[in-house]
Amino acid sequence: EVQLVESGGGLVQPGGSLRLSCAASGFTFSSFPMSWVRQAPGKGLEWVSVISASGGSTYYADSVKGRFTISRDNSKNTVSLQMNSLKAEDTAVYYCAIGNVQPDDNWFDPWGQGTLVTVSS
Amino acid sequence: QSALTQPPSASGSPGQSVTISCTGTSSDVGGYNYVSWYQQHPGKAPKLMIYEVSKRPSGVPDRFSGSKSGNTASLIVSGLQSEDEADYYCSSYAGSNVVVFGGGTKLTVL
Repeated sequence: EVQLVESGGGLVQPGGSLRLSCAASGFTFSSFPMSWVRQAPGKGLEWVSVISASGGSTYYADSVKGRFTISRDNSKNTVSLQMNSLKAEDTAVYYCAIGNVQPDDNWFDPWGQGTLVTVSS
Repeated sequence: QSALTQPPSASGSPGQSVTISCTGTSSDVGGYNYVSWYQQHPGKAPKLMIYEVSKRPSGVPDRFSGSKSGNTASLIVSGLQSEDEADYYCSSYAGSNVVVFGGGTKLTVL
C-alpha cells in the first residue's frame, strides 16, 4: 500500500524558515515525480512545487519561487520542502503527493495526510 | 496563474445527478485535454476522481464522469449517494510546468 507521511509543520514567525519532509513507502519512490500542494484554512488547493523522479528538474509556483526549495533523497525515500522568508499567506496544510506537472502528466495521486504550517507572530 | 472558476456550491437529492462546472481559459482548460477532479471530505486529504478529462482511476465508481467543452470542464455525479457529499476541486495544466486548481465546490446531498 502506498503511504505518504508528512512531517515538520508547526508555528513559525514571519520571515522565518521551516523544512517539511514526506516519507514515502509502498512503491518504487525513485521512479515517480513528487509534488507539494497546499491548502490555506478554509480555502482551496494551490500547487506549490514539483521535483522529477531523478531530482534533476524542479518547478515552483510564482507565489513561492525564490523562497521555497524542493529536494529529494531517493536512498531514503523522502522528499523535502525548505521554506524560507515565510509570510502569513504561507499558512496552510501542506500535502505531498505523487504527481508531475507536465503537459501529458499532471494529476496527483495519492496524497499524504498533510502537515499544518502556521506563520504568525 | 489564475485559479479556475467553480460554483461555490451544488446540491442534489439521493439518486439524482448533479453537474459541477470548471471554467478556465484557452491557456489552461481549453488548451489541454488534461483536467483532473479531486474529492475532499472534511479534514481529509484530496482524492483523485477523474484525470485526463474523463478517465477514472481504479476504484472510483462509474457514477463519476467527466467531460470538457471549450474552456469549461464538467464533473457529473449520477445516482447521488450520501457519501458523495464533499468538496470537489478541478485542476488543469496551464503551460510552463504549472498546474492551476479551481476554487472548489461544496456538494450537498439533500
